[in-house]
Amino acid sequence: AQSVTQLDSQVPVFEEAPVELRCNYSSSVSVYLFWYVQYPNQGLQLLLKYLSGSTLVESINGFEAEFNKSQTSFHLRKPSVHISDTAEYFCAVSGRNTPLVFGKGTRLSVIA
Amino acid sequence: GAVVSQHPSWVICKSGTSVKIECRSLDFQATTMFWYRQFPKQSLMLMATSNEGSKATYEQGVEKDKFLINHASLTLSTLTVTSAHPEDSSFYICSARDGFWGRNSPLHFGNGTRLTVT
Repeated sequence: AQSVTQLDSQVPVFEEAPVELRCNYSSSVSVYLFWYVQYPNQGLQLLLKYLSGSTLVESINGFEAEFNKSQTSFHLRKPSVHISDTAEYFCAVSGRNTPLVFGKGTRLSVIA
Repeated sequence: GAVVSQHPSWVICKSGTSVKIECRSLDFQATTMFWYRQFPKQSLMLMATSNEGSKATYEQGVEKDKFLINHASLTLSTLTVTSAHPEDSSFYICSARDGFWGRNSPLHFGNGTRLTVT
């Protein structure tokens, strides 16, 4: 069975500082990896995804994640965060014919 | 972008009553919809997968007679919590996949429904 571990439940960081939200997964089959973001009082939105090809994927708002098969990781990074990045971030994994499995989420709090 | 509307956003009901939650895809046809439940400080847990026109597939441990799912059209799925009990209090979220883009298309989520059973 697939599983996702987000080690950090909360990550406080000062504005304009870099941030990394960690995600590790376990799966015995090929995986598709996702990061979803939930801003306060809003629904979940897809931030970025890895399906195949280049292991480094980027979002339109400056986040990037790198698929590392040997370390079974898909950490999310941003070199300089903004107040507006404050949200909860969920890592998720699915296989070709398996449902999406979510991590517990990491609450990113950006401090001015 | 694709929008999924979930209604109601919050509901309080008495123990023993039933509550229906609606999930609608507003600008796309959702051949598959998913229902998740989120306990406080825990991850989203998939409850069931519903495919338009067929019976829902429930995850292990989810009571199908308690959580009735109907996906009668390509734009609407409903979750009915029957004979609700306080332990059913939770945050329920639906998501839908745009059937046009196939299996790898992203999920679009509703804003969730917070159910409180008194």
